[in-house]
Amino acid sequence: EDQVTQSPEALRLQEGESSSLNCSYTVSGLRGLFWYRQDPGKGPEFLFTLYSAGEEKEKERLKATLTKKESFLHITAPKPEDSATYLCAVQAVGNAGNMLTFGGGTRLMVKP
Amino acid sequence: DAGVIQSPRHEVTEMGQEVTLRCKPISGHNSLFWYRQTMMRGLELLIYFNNNVPIDDSGMPEDRFSAKMPNASFSTLKIQPSEPRDSAVYFCASRLAGTDTQYFGPGTRLTVL
Repeated sequence: EDQVTQSPEALRLQEGESSSLNCSYTVSGLRGLFWYRQDPGKGPEFLFTLYSAGEEKEKERLKATLTKKESFLHITAPKPEDSATYLCAVQAVGNAGNMLTFGGGTRLMVKP
Repeated sequence: DAGVIQSPRHEVTEMGQEVTLRCKPISGHNSLFWYRQTMMRGLELLIYFNNNVPIDDSGMPEDRFSAKMPNASFSTLKIQPSEPRDSAVYFCASRLAGTDTQYFGPGTRLTVL
């Protein structure tokens, strides 16, 4: 059974204080790893897809990286508007429906 | 460009009542997913459709839940009878054939009293 564990559950940062969120996964064969951002009262918003170990993707202050066992979402010099819950999900090889298994999320709070 | 549309956005009902949640996927997308999100269990897949056909409903919690997709632009998730433990946010997501990314709607917050 595919499993995704995210840590920490919650993270408080001061504006400008860089940090990383972790996503550890167990899957029979990884087809893709996804990062989403979710704001309160809204649906998850797609950020990145990573397909192979060593791959990196960047978007503004966010950079996602992937190894064979985990993914990191690095946040550089965060701003209050980066406050949200960040969700990680995996898609397994042979998963005919490309179904996603989500982790519990990391709630990020950035204080000005 | 309209995203995934869900209605209603909020639903409050009493135990035992029938609840119907609605979803309109992004035009041209051929896969549709229903999820449930709670604090305790996070985001869980309930059922997904491919080309309007239900493919995997193993996440549907019990027979009280049913889902239909009568055409490519509309799907419903029905709970009958509803129970307080069904209280959650229900999301619909859609995906374009040949791609991996699922796009989520704004969700329906269901409260069963």
